[in-house]
Amino acid sequence: ETGVTQTPRHLVMGMTNKKSLKCEQHLGHNAMYWYKQSAKKPLELMFVYSLEERVENNSVPSRFSPECPNSSHLFLHLHTLQPEDSALYLCASSQSGGAEEKLFFGSGTQLSVL
Amino acid sequence: AQKVTQAQTEISVVEKEDVTLDCVYETRDTTYYLFWYKQPPSGELVFLIRRNSFDEQNEISGRYSWNFQKSTSSFNFTITASQVVDSAVYFCALSEAENTGFQKLVFGTGTRLLVSP
Repeated sequence: ETGVTQTPRHLVMGMTNKKSLKCEQHLGHNAMYWYKQSAKKPLELMFVYSLEERVENNSVPSRFSPECPNSSHLFLHLHTLQPEDSALYLCASSQSGGAEEKLFFGSGTQLSVL
Repeated sequence: AQKVTQAQTEISVVEKEDVTLDCVYETRDTTYYLFWYKQPPSGELVFLIRRNSFDEQNEISGRYSWNFQKSTSSFNFTITASQVVDSAVYFCALSEAENTGFQKLVFGTGTRLLVSP
């Protein structure tokens, strides 16, 4: 059973394109997260939504725009990206927001910006 | 400030060897949680274990074992009799109890484990 599903798995886009990443969780969780994974760097937390409200925005450039229409869905809208934005973008969810919470991850979207 | 260091970038072993993945952390909190996640080639991080700062008891789960030592701020992970399916990137992570509202994990850079037949 795949608790957290991300689409697409791979995305290639030009710097002038607009695209969106989608994440859906089937676990009944209340919190959802976007992480960026670049080579040889720790996972970077980008955005957090708790009960559909954005509770964290980690100094992410405005060319990344998150959206959480309900507790099961999370989007990351992309526009005018830069080549350095190429990375694996991971979505995760947790039951609630405590420090002891386990995160459940999707398989990620491998993004290449040309 | 929180920090997690995984000094081993990549480890290669032959099947059936034992291997230990090191994790050293820094935190000013007295209450915190430590985690290990596995990232296979498919991409998703899979939760392996969670430890709170008051529980220094080592844990064994099948071929996996974890050694938590507050005195050295380490939370090392050992795989006994490694198998090819253990090949993955392993992440250690830290969360401070003062975090409220959402899970704010600080991850290490990961250790890539390659197990050859």
